[in-house]
Amino acid sequence: GAGVSQSPSNKVTEKGKDVELRCDPISGHTALYWYRQSLGQGLEFLIYFQGNSAPDKSGLPSDRFSAERTGGSVSTLTIQRTQQEDSAVYLCASSWGGAEQFFGPGTRLTVL
Amino acid sequence: AQSVTQLGSHVSVSEGALVLLRCNYSSSVPPYLFWYVQYPNQGLQLLLKYTTGATLVKGINGFEAEFKKSETSFHLTKPSAHMSDAAEYFCAVIPYSSASKIIFGSGTRLSIRP
Repeated sequence: GAGVSQSPSNKVTEKGKDVELRCDPISGHTALYWYRQSLGQGLEFLIYFQGNSAPDKSGLPSDRFSAERTGGSVSTLTIQRTQQEDSAVYLCASSWGGAEQFFGPGTRLTVL
Repeated sequence: AQSVTQLGSHVSVSEGALVLLRCNYSSSVPPYLFWYVQYPNQGLQLLLKYTTGATLVKGINGFEAEFKKSETSFHLTKPSAHMSDAAEYFCAVIPYSSASKIIFGSGTRLSIRP
């Protein structure tokens, strides 16, 4: 596609509910990244995929967070039993393997 | 551990004035260095990057940055600010030790006074 797309653009959920965030990377990009942007923590790395495998999950804040990537393309970030501190903008980026990462517009998650 | 320090969470300059946003990194080897810009309610856009070669890097919208290894700095400059430059700017690194995650600075909000 023309760029990285993410859905939904906004998500409001109640505390304790599960949410799924989707990322469609640029076609042909083998690497995919998830980041989180919040007022208190700035921009934080969450997880990195190379193909369908995740060699670096070091940024996932707790076991409530998980992500998968299928077919070397679309990725889903799942947050179980959401908490208010999960409220943030979740950014996805993709790369062909070089240093430059291309970012999507983000999903703004609000946990009430 | 790698880190990125941006001096000044908020910088305000007059339209037409020089823009200088400061960034220092900690790394035992020169990393890949980036400046990203984020306009309100939008995603991150790459302004410029340094990987190898010439240490003075030119980017979009008239911005440039110079990699100074001796000072571990990568400051962003623009000779003449425009109202449309108002945004949040993030300095970032990818260490040579990893081609994966980006480590971001805390960001600098640039305001432009008429």
